[in-house]
Amino acid sequence: GDSVTQTEGLVTLTEGLPVMLNCTYQTIYSNPFLFWYVQHLNESPRLLLKSFTDNKRTEHQGFHATLHKSSSSFHLQKSSAQLSDSALYYCAPVASSGSWQLIFGSGTQLTVMP
Amino acid sequence: GGIITQTPKFLIGQEGQKLTLKCQQNFNHDTMYWYRQDSGKGLRLIYYSITENDLQKGDLSEGYDASREKKSSFSLTVTSAQKNEMAVFLCASSIGTGGTEVFFGKGTRLTVV
Repeated sequence: GDSVTQTEGLVTLTEGLPVMLNCTYQTIYSNPFLFWYVQHLNESPRLLLKSFTDNKRTEHQGFHATLHKSSSSFHLQKSSAQLSDSALYYCAPVASSGSWQLIFGSGTQLTVMP
Repeated sequence: GGIITQTPKFLIGQEGQKLTLKCQQNFNHDTMYWYRQDSGKGLRLIYYSITENDLQKGDLSEGYDASREKKSSFSLTVTSAQKNEMAVFLCASSIGTGGTEVFFGKGTRLTVV
């Protein structure tokens, strides 16, 4: 069945260093849709960026990701971490089954230190 | 824009009790969802509904019932609360399914004593 694997648990970085949160997925759908959601403390998850197109970089709020169907990956990156980037990040492919629902990964908690 | 309102924000129940969580959205979205959020386990889908009076089970539906009484509202019932159960329940909505953006409410935090 469909599944998603993210960088496990907690990632701690120093401000100014690059961010990379890994996401790989498994789906039988030949044209996968992938999303990244971000949830700051005491807030709701919200959409950060999404992609439907193979090998095309998508960017939003300083973050970027490229969907690579060849490696089933959709890693989230940012060139320079900011304190405000501290949050829980979810990668979510759309299920290839009839439900067409998002399958959320277990989430990666990013903490940026000064 | 729109908003998703969940009530109550905090819910404390006793073991075995039936508990109901409510959700209202004014986006005029067709699809609504209930997710459970546990630390380290991500967001797990309990129920969703693609239109009024429709109900679809998610991966975590056992122990829950849901009701989509009208387009704007979607309620979730914990049929028998389990002791030491602690989780946040998130209601969400989207225009459709598949590749459309999902909008979330602020959540109901459940504690069972």
